[in-house]
Amino acid sequence: KQEVTQIPAALSVPEGENLVLNCSFTDSAIYNLQWFRQDPGKGLTSLLLIQSSQREQTSGRLNASLDKSSGRSTLYIAASQPGDSATYLCAGGSNYKLTFGKGTLLTVNP
Amino acid sequence: GAVVSQHPSWVICKSGTSVKIECRSLDFQATTMFWYRQFPKQSLMLMATSNEGSKATYEQGVEKDKFLINHASLTLSTLTVTSAHPEDSSFYICSAIGGPGSSYNSPLHFGNGTRLTVT
Repeated sequence: KQEVTQIPAALSVPEGENLVLNCSFTDSAIYNLQWFRQDPGKGLTSLLLIQSSQREQTSGRLNASLDKSSGRSTLYIAASQPGDSATYLCAGGSNYKLTFGKGTLLTVNP
Repeated sequence: GAVVSQHPSWVICKSGTSVKIECRSLDFQATTMFWYRQFPKQSLMLMATSNEGSKATYEQGVEKDKFLINHASLTLSTLTVTSAHPEDSSFYICSAIGGPGSSYNSPLHFGNGTRLTVT
């Protein structure tokens, strides 16, 4: 059974700082690893999807990496902004099923 | 593109009543829709997977007679919580996949969720 763990559970940084969110998963037989953003009381917005054959994906200030052998993924956010404040979720995907971590609550202070 | 609309965004109901939540794909045909439940400070848990025109597949521990799922068209899936109880209070989120070229490596598109409170 896939288990996804996210560390830290919460993170507070000053504006402009670069930061890394961590995600680990127990079953390396995943098809992809996805990162989502969730604002309070809202649904999820897909940020990045890394296929199992890929090592990383980039979108703007976001860069996600995937190391299947170690069961880890990281989400790097460059030059953080207050608007980045949200909960970030990672999920391991296998045949349409996603197993989610509990998320990292990020607060970027002006 | 790829917008998923979920309705209502919040609902309060009395214990013992039933509540229906709708999930619509607005600009694509959703061959597969997923229903998740999220308790406070917990991760999203997949409840069931539904394909248009067929019975939903429920995850272990999810009562299919309590959480009725209907996916009668390529743009609409509904989740009905029957005989709701306070322990059913949660955040329910649907997601959908579909459209030309979609596969298990396509991003999932999520609705904004429904906050259900059973009193």
